[in-house]
Amino acid sequence: GAVVSQHPSWVICKSGTSVKIECRSLDFQATTMFWYRQFPKQSLMLMATSNEGSKATYEQGVEKDKFLINHASLTLSTLTVTSAHPEDSSFYICSAVSRGEQFFGPGTRLTVL
Amino acid sequence: DQQVKQNSPSLSVQEGRISILNCDYTNSMFDYFLWYKKYPAEGPTFLISISSIKDKNEDGRFTVFLNKSAKHLSLHIVPSQPGDSAVYFCAARRIRLNDYKLSFGAGTTVTVRA
Repeated sequence: GAVVSQHPSWVICKSGTSVKIECRSLDFQATTMFWYRQFPKQSLMLMATSNEGSKATYEQGVEKDKFLINHASLTLSTLTVTSAHPEDSSFYICSAVSRGEQFFGPGTRLTVL
Repeated sequence: DQQVKQNSPSLSVQEGRISILNCDYTNSMFDYFLWYKKYPAEGPTFLISISSIKDKNEDGRFTVFLNKSAKHLSLHIVPSQPGDSAVYFCAARRIRLNDYKLSFGAGTTVTVRA
């Protein structure tokens, strides 16, 4: 139980385009999901907390207009990187909360050319 | 400001020996600590946790020790196996209603040599 999936697992896009990443809890409902990004050999950096039915809460320094989060249902949260630039290239990981614990998705590798 | 620190970026250990991973934290409000294991291009998987009311928690080959006064915890893996080769993240949070945010350390890459 407590399986979290992400789609796509990797994506390459051109600079200036927008990319949507989906995070799904497959066998449980999650009112809270989190979005992280990880740079090579660095820690997971929390970007935002996604709450079903309400606005996401962004961490300091994360641009909410650039990283749009939508948590429209209890099993799906989406992260849209708008007007992507090469510096947005990173590994994006989501997690969903079940029984008080975070369960992580497999991550999405974004490369912006 | 990094509230959870893993000062050893890497650790190499021979198969069958003990692996000891260290983690320090600065926020005295943290009262729940976790270790995650992560393979490249995958998400972290939960390994073991400990509450601040305990000083030790054991699960099979994995034991976590907590020293609250020193704000230090460690993960012991014994015996180490080749499949243990991965990046290990220490994480911490406060136990508060509906607040599940975690602060992560930078990770320690463990390599188990045959």
